[in-house]
Amino acid sequence: QVQLVQSGAEVKKPGSSVKVSCKASGGTFNNYAINWVRQAPGQGLEWMGGIIPIFNTPKNAQKFQGRVTITADESTTTAYMELSSLRSEDTAVYYCARVVVVVVGANHQYYFDDWGQGTLVTVSS
Amino acid sequence: DIQLTQSPSFLSASVGDRVTITCRASQDISSYLAWYQQTPGKAPKLLIYAAFILQSGVPSRFSGSGSGTEFTLTISSLQPEDFATYYCQQLSSYTYTFGQGTKLEIK
Repeated sequence: QVQLVQSGAEVKKPGSSVKVSCKASGGTFNNYAINWVRQAPGQGLEWMGGIIPIFNTPKNAQKFQGRVTITADESTTTAYMELSSLRSEDTAVYYCARVVVVVVGANHQYYFDDWGQGTLVTVSS
Repeated sequence: DIQLTQSPSFLSASVGDRVTITCRASQDISSYLAWYQQTPGKAPKLLIYAAFILQSGVPSRFSGSGSGTEFTLTISSLQPEDFATYYCQQLSSYTYTFGQGTKLEIK
């Protein structure tokens, strides 16, 4: 079982950046495909981007292009999500999650398993 | 990006009821669809992947069906612990968008 532990809550000013970490334990880190999902207060889940499994390449949602940077440090088995040019609408709980790949019939199938506990980022002047 | 539309957005039901939630995709996603359950203050929990495969440990009263652009999640007999918010997610074309959610409340 893979465990993902995220960094603590942050309060940021509009226009600044935030960097959230996600430390993984168990399994083999270079096989992980960590992705990031956020949830604004009272709202639904929003995929931001992450590592595409098998190809191990990064992909971000169109909405966050140019504002989000997703990286990973294999030596510390930690993934990072940095969001820049923060605005009040970025106030949300940010989750990391691992994409699992399984073979079903002749195809690969994917799902998000092993979520972090969430990190609340508050953007306020 | 592929859009997912869930219906209904809110659902009121009683313990023992059978309920169905629908998820429609804006284009063909084959069977690249997962369903999650989320309770307040918690991370989502995987229920079903590949449209119909029940995740290990998930009760058999949950089932999924569909392919292409229309999918359903059915709970055959609601239990008290099932009152939560449910999300579908598409995992096609290397983007992983979610539906807007369906909040299932006790009648």
